[in-house]
Amino acid sequence: DSGVTQTPKHLITATGQRVTLRCSPRSGDLSVYWYQQSLDQGLQFLIQYYNGEERAKGNILERFSAQQFPDLHSELNLSSLELGDSALYFCASSVGVGPGTEAFFGQGTRLTVV
Amino acid sequence: GDSVTQMEGPVTLSEEAFLTINCTYTATGYPSLFWYVQYPGEGLQLLLKATKADDKGSNKGFEATYRKETTSFHLEKGSVQVSDSAVYFCALSGSGAGSYQLTFGKGTKLSVIP
Repeated sequence: DSGVTQTPKHLITATGQRVTLRCSPRSGDLSVYWYQQSLDQGLQFLIQYYNGEERAKGNILERFSAQQFPDLHSELNLSSLELGDSALYFCASSVGVGPGTEAFFGQGTRLTVV
Repeated sequence: GDSVTQMEGPVTLSEEAFLTINCTYTATGYPSLFWYVQYPGEGLQLLLKATKADDKGSNKGFEATYRKETTSFHLEKGSVQVSDSAVYFCALSGSGAGSYQLTFGKGTKLSVIP
């Protein structure tokens, strides 16, 4: 158990809908990362927050947004969903940022858009 | 931009065979290098890491050496077990100032048969 909790584990929704994925980082970790894992694209970095502030942005679509709350949990909002958004979404957390910092991953949320 | 290339799988080995999974990278600066492992139905776990040239990371019998001259970080294990069956990801981070999200290779699926 990595200590990172993601809910829900599975989500099935229709095209055009909006969903929210939730992540609780390990106790004491200030940094949260979101990744998307799909068969064709592999593991892609979406966005990072550090202590409530956006720190880095990757290949995140404009239809997607995220935030980190004062209690350090994070939510990833996906809207106007398309079939191609079906993927496994991982949250990871780390104590800080720096060379060699280990990121701890949750078990992921599997999103299926039908 | 940064990228990681690792050998395509799947790789099937008999128990006690020698394992090598090749990984090369392209990055500016001096990134940290990682191997993560994903067991079926689980999130990614850090297997080993190296933060500077000629460092050797090791864990659970796995080893990898950071070779700056060949931009490589090949994963090796002398004698694999059935329990090593998983997907292995090579990754880098920290090549740019303040940039510590992970850039992953596409993953190599390893199956070990008794």
